[in-house]
Order: sequence, then C-alpha cells, then structure tokens
Amino acid sequence: DGGITQSPKYLFRKEGQNVTLSCEQNLNHDAMYWYRQDPGQGLRLIYYSQIVNDFQKGDIAEGYSVSREKKESFPLTVTSAQKNPTAFYLCASSIFSGAGNTIYFGEGSWLTVV
Amino acid sequence: KQEVTQIPAALSVPEGENLVLNCSFTDSAIYNLQWFRQDPGKGLTSLLLIQSSQREQTSGRLNASLDKSSGRSTLYIAASQPGDSATYLCAVRLVLSNPRTYKYIFGTGTRLKVLA
Repeated sequence: DGGITQSPKYLFRKEGQNVTLSCEQNLNHDAMYWYRQDPGQGLRLIYYSQIVNDFQKGDIAEGYSVSREKKESFPLTVTSAQKNPTAFYLCASSIFSGAGNTIYFGEGSWLTVV
Repeated sequence: KQEVTQIPAALSVPEGENLVLNCSFTDSAIYNLQWFRQDPGKGLTSLLLIQSSQREQTSGRLNASLDKSSGRSTLYIAASQPGDSATYLCAVRLVLSNPRTYKYIFGTGTRLKVLA
C-alpha cells in the first residue's frame, strides 16, 4: 500500500542527546514536510523539501536539522539545542504543484524528554 | 500574514444532529483549502479539498464550502454519528514566489464529540 511511514512511534530523549525521527514515503511525491503539534495548537512547520538535496527552514527550525538524500526519505534530527522538544511530530508529503493535490500525513511520532 | 482560525474549539452534539464547523482565513489569495480529520494520537486524514476556483465539494455525509471573498469555509456534517468524534482541522495552501514554493497554514482545529 502507498503511504508515509514514520518511526519510531514513541521516542524518549535524555537531556543533551540528539535523536532522529525517520520518515519514508512510497507515493513518489516531490515535496516532504515536517510539522510539530503541541496540545491545543495547530501544526507548525519545521522544515520542508521540494526536491532531493534541497530543503528550506519553516517557522520553527531552530534546534532541528534535516537531510533529503533520496526522494522517498526525509529524516528529522532533534538536536540538544532544541530546548523544549516534547511534542507530537508529523511528516507529510505532496506533489509539488497543482491546486487539486492533497497533502498526505504519516501516523506521527511522540517525542518525550526524560 | 495569513492566519487560519477555527471556532468553536470544542463541540458536543447528540447523535443524528446536523452540524457546521467553521474555518476563517485572513488573506483570500489561497491556492486551495483542505479539511482534515485527526483521531487522538494519529496523523491527519484528508476529508475534502476545495480548489480556489471552486465553491464546494461533497463526499458522503460531508459538504465543504468556500467563500474566498469573505475568507470563510464551512464543513457540514449530516446525521452525525459517534464515529465522527475527532478533531477537524482546516488548512489553506499558499503559493509564494521568488522562488516558487507552496506553504500550508493550519487552523488549531475543532474537537467534536458526538454523543450516543
């Protein structure tokens, strides 16, 4: 089945530690996105990528890093510089252009600082 | 700056009731608007997409309308069921130039509970 796979579903991070969230899609989409969702808030864009080997910062990129070495993969690293990383992280993908194209989401990853 | 607002934040209705969820946006220059459903601890599932040139879209018991000039969209759910209980989010897609990029702005959602 086509879709977006995020792993792990639950992740615990110790203070000062970097962690990486995986996102893989088999929809052949050009664009991929990472969002952060906090309780009672909307989705906030961390990073996005429209083509391989290129990505741009979103609204809250500080303390995060990404790479886009393959079309189907867009991993997110939460670095120790991110002071409040506990949140629900969502990966998404879409066809780059076209007003009729939908954005698709993975099932999300919960990150907790311990 | 584009802002998307959804009111109310939460809503409880008895089963069988028809209901309307509201979404408003501040800038009418949108590419499209989507409605999503999110179950607790899950990702978002697209329900309906309305292109900027369209006025409404329908899927089963759901009907979404778009009025760009007033900056409003509504999601109408007919004959609500307990299985409709979830958070409903709307999002507008913007086109930015130099370079040409696309950006989604999400509302904070309406948490719906349908009581049996």
